[in-house]
Amino acid sequence: QKEVEQDPGPLSVPEGAIVSLNCTYSNSAFQYFMWYRQYSRKGPELLMYTYSSGNKEDGRFTAQVDKSSKYISLFIRDSQPSDSATYLCAMSGGDNYGQNFVFGPGTRLSVLP
Amino acid sequence: NAGVTQTPKFRVLKTGQSMTLLCAQDMNHEYMYWYRQDPGMGLRLIHYSVGEGTTAKGEVPDGYNVSRLKKQNFLLGLESAAPSQTSVYFCASSYPGTDLLYGYTFGSGTRLTVV
Repeated sequence: QKEVEQDPGPLSVPEGAIVSLNCTYSNSAFQYFMWYRQYSRKGPELLMYTYSSGNKEDGRFTAQVDKSSKYISLFIRDSQPSDSATYLCAMSGGDNYGQNFVFGPGTRLSVLP
Repeated sequence: NAGVTQTPKFRVLKTGQSMTLLCAQDMNHEYMYWYRQDPGMGLRLIHYSVGEGTTAKGEVPDGYNVSRLKKQNFLLGLESAAPSQTSVYFCASSYPGTDLLYGYTFGSGTRLTVV
């Protein structure tokens, strides 16, 4: 079992739809959770980060963490064609905190006009 | 402010050849990292550095060497390239400690093909 699992997609939705992207993980020591967006042939860029459990909202984006289920989610409201990208979850904590993050494989999202 | 710059952007190598990938950052970050990204595998850490003159192995270090002689530069070397090293390589940098919450700054990647 991989440390971080993520459905690779591709996920296609119409413009304006609500998108739900998810990751599951196995390491209960993870405390810091991030979502990165990666456009084609570009490096990942940080979208949002959260610490421990709970929700965080930033504009059209909402990140949720459920540590009891080892499950994190990213919701995109009113999705736009410009949201079409690969979304990577990343997490850290415990022994590897301060050194590196563990990344999920990414979910490819296409928002159709 | 350029952020993280990787050179070259593309390279084709023959099996057994060597090359060095250069990463430069102008943000005065202490930590620097080299990742490779393969389809379905996500980003996997090759080597990282927590400061000038220091390096450490990540998840997939075999076949690679690194050096951090200057704080702003992190070099990744392939001594004898193999087809299994065909990948997209990303360099990243970050501040240590709680500033890690702001995540990494990534370069735009180097696409390497080994034939």
